[in-house]
Amino acid sequence: GAGVSQTPSNKVTEKGKYVELRCDPISGHTALYWYRQSLGQGPEFLIYFQGTGAADDSGLPNDRFFAVRPEGSVSTLKIQRTERGDSAVYLCASSLTAGSRYNEQFFGPGTRLTVL
Amino acid sequence: KQEVTQIPAALSVPEGENLVLNCSFTDSAIYNLQWFRQDPGKGLTSLLLIQSSQREQTSGRLNASLDKSSGRSTLYIAASQPGDSATYLCAVREMDSSYKLIFGSGTRLLVRP
Repeated sequence: GAGVSQTPSNKVTEKGKYVELRCDPISGHTALYWYRQSLGQGPEFLIYFQGTGAADDSGLPNDRFFAVRPEGSVSTLKIQRTERGDSAVYLCASSLTAGSRYNEQFFGPGTRLTVL
Repeated sequence: KQEVTQIPAALSVPEGENLVLNCSFTDSAIYNLQWFRQDPGKGLTSLLLIQSSQREQTSGRLNASLDKSSGRSTLYIAASQPGDSATYLCAVREMDSSYKLIFGSGTRLLVRP
C-alpha cells in the first residue's frame, strides 16, 4: 500500500487477556518503530527495528510487552496479561533507514486499545 | 533526559487570525525538530522538519522557526481556517539516539468559523 497500515483500528479486551497489534510498513522501508500515545499526551517511543532485529527496545514498559518482525517487513506488538493502564493508542511508523537524521518517519493511523 | 514542552495545551481562535504555537526542549543536542499535525482517530502528518543547522522552514501558510541554543521552536500559522483545527505536536531527534522521536504533549487548536 501507499502508507503505513495498522490492524485492528480498535481493540477492546478484558484485563488479563493477550492481544496482538499488527503493523504493515511502507514497502521497502527497513526501519520500523512503535510508539504509545496515552490520552492527552504525545507519543512515547517503545521499540525500533532495523530489518528483523530489535535495535532498541528500551521503551518497552515491562516484560509483558514484546514485538517481533520476523521477515523484516510486518511487525506485531504483543501484550500479555493486559492491564487497564495499557489502554492507549499504539502508533507504528516506518522509515527508509534509521541511521540518517534525514530519514523521515511515516506514521500509521494507530490502534486504539481499550482494556476493560 | 530530554523533555519537550508545548504551550498552550489548547487554543481557540476565530477564523482568519494569525497564531503562534510554542515548543521548548531541555537539551539542545538535537539533530532536528519536526512539527506534526494529528487529526482525531488518525495518524501523524508531518508538516515541517527543521535541521539543527537551519533557523526556519516554510510551507504555505506555515512557518516554523528554531532557536537551538535557547531550546525553542515556534510554529506560525497565518490566516487560520477551520480546517486547521487539529492537535499539533512537536518532536525532536537527539544526536545520541537519532532514530527516536521525543514528542511534546501537543497543542489542541480549534479555529471557529
